[in-house]
Order: sequence, then structure tokens, then C-alpha cells
Amino acid sequence: NAGVTQTPKFRILKIGQSMTLQCTQDMNHNYMYWYRQDPGMGLKLIYYSVGAGITDKGEVPNGYNVSRSTTEDFPLRLELAAPSQTSVYFCASSYQGLASGEQYFGPGTRLTVT
Amino acid sequence: GENVEQHPSTLSVQEGDSAVIKCTYSDSASNYFPWYKQELGKRPQLIIDIRSNVGEKKDQRIAVTLNKTAKHFSLHITETQPEDSAVYFCVREGNLIFGKGTKLSVKP
Repeated sequence: NAGVTQTPKFRILKIGQSMTLQCTQDMNHNYMYWYRQDPGMGLKLIYYSVGAGITDKGEVPNGYNVSRSTTEDFPLRLELAAPSQTSVYFCASSYQGLASGEQYFGPGTRLTVT
Repeated sequence: GENVEQHPSTLSVQEGDSAVIKCTYSDSASNYFPWYKQELGKRPQLIIDIRSNVGEKKDQRIAVTLNKTAKHFSLHITETQPEDSAVYFCVREGNLIFGKGTKLSVKP
């Protein structure tokens, strides 16, 4: 199994541009998550999904959108990129729900907005 | 919302010493208490977890203890080695709030 994969690994955006960060998992997990990690900080939850067709906001959702049309894929959309969105983005998935199980993380996408 | 407080933010120990990191939470509903390790430039990975029906769990040099009355859980690393150097996070499951992390440095 590849586990959780993310593309791209790195990206530089200009202010106001948009992009989609891709996330795919091959473990048949229902639960998927997007986090951002600013330098020297912990992870903050942006959005999560409990299954195909169901998404919900996390701690810091502003400026982002998600969709979950399949169990495997959970893309994160940035509209009108701002310097405050410069961060490392991690996608994760889990077999058990929000309160009970290990999360498997992807390798991350390092995004710079200038 | 509910938060988790993690201490210390940095910890430096000599190789072979023990390290203890503590997280305090504020609600009573949490039943699952995981610890993640993140090496520099890498993704977080689960190293140990505990559920509320037990007070302690060990896995070789790593242990986690839970005090539900005092609402805190701690990560214990014994006989530390340089490869233990990393940032460690506790997590409040339920709303997936991560602690701010503890940067552990193990000096040879």
C-alpha cells in the first residue's frame, strides 16, 4: 500500500492565485483530514470528512474549500491565495473516527505565497 | 473550544536519561489519548496511544500514563537515544486539537 499520498510536494503561488492540493489514500479509510502546520507550531485542522459526500469545518477553514466525491480522494482548494496561507499542508486518514484511532499522514505539501 | 496544553515546549536531555512530556486537557469526554512524533521535515507518526479504561501503557522504552481525575496524560521515554530527537505532540481527539509540541533534543 502507498498509504496517503499528496501532490505537489512544493509550490510557490502569487497572491490571488488559486490551486488544489491533492490527497489520495489507498487504505479504504472513511475518515480524512487536512491540517496546516506553520513553522515551529503544531498542526491545525482545516477540514475533515467522515465519508464520501460528507465534509465539515475544522479549526481554521477560512480561505479553503474541500470536496469528497470518492473514498480515496480528498482535495483541498485554495482560492485567492494570501501570504498567511504560507504553510506546510498535511493530509491524513484514519480507519476509526474522530475520537478513537490512529491517523496516517501524507508527506506534506510545502506552500509559499508571495 | 476545548484545548490541550502541552509542557514543556523544549526539553534537552543527555543520552540515556529519561524524558517526560505532559499534556493537560479540560473536558471530561476524551477517551483516546495519542502521542505523535515528528522528525525534522517529516510527517507526524503515532508512537503510542492509550484509552481511558487503562492508566498506563508501555511499548519498549516508551510509556504513556493517564490520570483522568487530574485530566492529564504524559509521555515517558526512558534510556533516551539521539534518534529520539524530534517534536512530540499530544492530541485531543474528538475535535482533533494538537498540542503545541515539545522539541526534544537528546545530546550524545
